[in-house]
Amino acid sequence: DGGITQSPKYLFRKEGQNVTLSCEQNLNHDAMYWYRQDPGQGLRLIYYSQIVNDFQKGDIAEGYSVSREKKESFPLTVTSAQKNPTAFYLCASSPTTGGITNTEAFFGQGTRLTVV
Amino acid sequence: ILNVEQSPQSLHVQEGDSTNFTCSFPSSNFYALHWYRWETAKSPEALFVMTLNGDEKKKGRISATLNTKEGYSYLYIKGSQPEDSATYLCAFIRAGNNRKLIWGLGTSLAVNP
Repeated sequence: DGGITQSPKYLFRKEGQNVTLSCEQNLNHDAMYWYRQDPGQGLRLIYYSQIVNDFQKGDIAEGYSVSREKKESFPLTVTSAQKNPTAFYLCASSPTTGGITNTEAFFGQGTRLTVV
Repeated sequence: ILNVEQSPQSLHVQEGDSTNFTCSFPSSNFYALHWYRWETAKSPEALFVMTLNGDEKKKGRISATLNTKEGYSYLYIKGSQPEDSATYLCAFIRAGNNRKLIWGLGTSLAVNP
């Protein structure tokens, strides 16, 4: 089955440690995104990638890093520089070709990160 | 700055009520407007991808309209059921090479049985 997989579902880390969240898709989508959601807030874009080996900062990129070495994979590292890393993180992918109606985003199940 | 605004922020209705919410977006450089439903403990799922001014789309009891000239879209739910309880998100895509989704904050709907 085609889809997008995030792991793990829950993650606990000590303050000051870097942590990497996994996101894999087998939908053959070019574009991938990382979002963060905090209580009472909407989805905020951290980083996005339109193509392999290229990525762009979103609205709240400080304290995060990403890589896009393979089309299928877009891991997100939450570094110790991120001041408030406890949040729910969602990964998504979407096609970039195929016409105007072919833009639907597909989401993973999310990773809830708690830093203590 | 590109802003997508949704109203109301939250809504409580009784089973059987019909309801609607609004998504406002920039009226210039329009490419597409998406509606998603996000149920608790699940991933957001697309409801509609809307691209043309005057578009009306329907899926069961849920329908949506689009006005790109004035920059708004309405989502309607007819005869709300408890299983309709979710957060409804809209996302705007601006014309150009960058097809980044710009999200509203969502409307949280609770349908009481």
